[in-house]
Amino acid sequence: QQPVQSPQAVILREGEDAVINCSSSKALYSVHWYRQKHGEAPVFLMILLKGGEQKGHEKISASFNEKKQQSSLYLTASQLSYSGTYFCGTQSSDSWGKLQFGAGTQVVVTP
Amino acid sequence: NAGVTQTPKFQVLKTGQSMTLQCAQDMNHNSMYWYRQDPGMGLRLIYYSASEGTTDKGEVPNGYNVSRLNKREFSLRLESAAPSQTSVYFCASSERGGNTEAFFGQGTRLTVV
Repeated sequence: QQPVQSPQAVILREGEDAVINCSSSKALYSVHWYRQKHGEAPVFLMILLKGGEQKGHEKISASFNEKKQQSSLYLTASQLSYSGTYFCGTQSSDSWGKLQFGAGTQVVVTP
Repeated sequence: NAGVTQTPKFQVLKTGQSMTLQCAQDMNHNSMYWYRQDPGMGLRLIYYSASEGTTDKGEVPNGYNVSRLNKREFSLRLESAAPSQTSVYFCASSERGGNTEAFFGQGTRLTVV
């Protein structure tokens, strides 16, 4: 079952912050975050393993609340290069090894 | 490093035709995946292979078959293509399933007319 992402889309001005949420109805072992530019393949940003870790990638960070089966991606002081579609991918307790993705959140950063 | 290589990049099929999408990785990864991407629906898992010789269905396996030929290669076959299979197909690999990052190929844009 695909995780649910929100919002579907967000428009930001350079320097603004945004949060993208990802939730699952199932217990999760791991959560991945990827960014995809138009016409390209998804590119890995970070992975969060069971344990509530928070990870960072430049000014992009994420958290994982395993009890709530949720993860959030934080875009801080957004840059034009942050534009793209962000996907969360989850590995749930009843689908070991399988990585299933949400529908994506389109992020547009304007000057 | 080539990473994950998919062939072909583009393909047009007529309804009822068959074809095989090829995927190869050179990172010695155990796990490989096939996804399809349709507008507004994200990436949906078609099939998954945890290791050489094993395959498992994903969310949308109907109309597809797969072969994990060896550790490097994971092919996706459409036996009788339908317009509903028009999509962009991505192959991916990871060292250890969902516990390690996935690397994606550049995709195959398939149109079935």
